Formats: sequence, C-alpha cells, structure tokens
Amino acid sequence: GAVVSQHPSRVICKSGTSVKIECRSLDFQATTMFWYRQFPKQSLMLMATSNEGSKATYEQGVEKDKFLINHASLTLSTLTVTSAHPEDSSFYICSAREAAGENQPQHFGDGTRLSIL
Amino acid sequence: GQNIDQPTEMTATEGAIVQINCTYQTSGFNGLFWYQQHAGEAPTFLSYNVLDGLEEKGRFSSFLSRSKGYSYLLLKELQMKDSASYLCAVLDSNYQLIWGAGTKLIIKP
Repeated sequence: GAVVSQHPSRVICKSGTSVKIECRSLDFQATTMFWYRQFPKQSLMLMATSNEGSKATYEQGVEKDKFLINHASLTLSTLTVTSAHPEDSSFYICSAREAAGENQPQHFGDGTRLSIL
Repeated sequence: GQNIDQPTEMTATEGAIVQINCTYQTSGFNGLFWYQQHAGEAPTFLSYNVLDGLEEKGRFSSFLSRSKGYSYLLLKELQMKDSASYLCAVLDSNYQLIWGAGTKLIIKP
C-alpha cells in the first residue's frame, strides 16, 4: 500500500519552457502533499506544502510565481515550473501523507529529473 | 534553531552490523523517521519511532531516546543492496518534518 506515482520521470527541454509535474497517491487519500528539490549529494529541500483545496505554503526563498502548485483533489497535486531556466535543473520529488494524521509517514514518488538546456 | 546531526559517510562490510546515529535539537517532538535513499532515486520509508525503545523490523531496527535527543538505525546481516543514504527526520511541535543531511553507507565485500 501507500504508493505515490510521479510523472514524468525525466524531462529535457529548452530554456523558457514551462514544465508540469504530476504527483498522484494511488491507493490512499492525501490531504497533504509535499514538493522537494534535491541537488546532487545533498539532502532534501522542502519547497512547498500543498493542502487539498487551499493555497500551497511555500518555504522561504521559493518563488510562488515560478513554482505553481495546484492540489485539486485528495489524490493529485501538480507542480509547474514556469519559464524554466538552466538553474532550475534539479531532481524534484513529491511526497504524500495519508489523511489519517500529521504523524503519518510521507510516501515519496520516484522523482522527476529536470534538465533545462 | 532546529538541528539534526548524523555522520556524513560510513563504511561497513557485507554480512556485518552497522549502527547509524542521529542526534536532534528541535522545537518539540512528534516522532522520528528513518528513510533509505538509493542514488538517483526517491526516499523510501523505513521506520517511525515516537516512544523510547527499540523497534525491530526484519534486518533493520530503530532506537529512540527522547531524553537524550538520540536515535540510531541498526542494520544487520548487511547486503550490498544496503549501500544507500539513510536520512533521519524529526517531526517538530508544528508537525513539520526536519530533515538531516543523510548518511551515505558504503558496503564492501
């Protein structure tokens, strides 16, 4: 159980393109989903917390207009990197927490490796 | 401030036992998680401790001492596939997950 699907797994695109990443909880309802960014050999960096039906909460230093998050249902959250540039190249990972409680573990998608040329 | 400390890297031998320590200073405590992350992949959940003591799950065990702000992950009968980074994360009083930088475990034959 507790499977999270993230698509696409890899994106290579030109500078200026907008890229949409989907995160789905397949066998459970996720009131809260999280978006992380990870640079090589570094730990996870939380970008934003996404709650179903409300606006996402962004961490300090993360541009809201650059990284658009939509959590339209209990099983789907999307992250759109708008007008991506080479410095946005990174490994983006989503996670979902079961609706049962705030002390439930986060279950992670497989991640999206974004490369902007 | 909030802080999670764990060793950057450890090396162990196949078939042996290794203990990865994690100490934390956080504003409140609502549990501690251990995750495994293989290179280039997303983390996978290993364990959750909220009460003091040892939780055993197959070859992996996790220990917690809240009074000492300390946890460890114990891996027995090490296999080559256990080579990965192990992330310690603490849930603070606001139920925010504070992540450690991870311990890279290298298993040698």
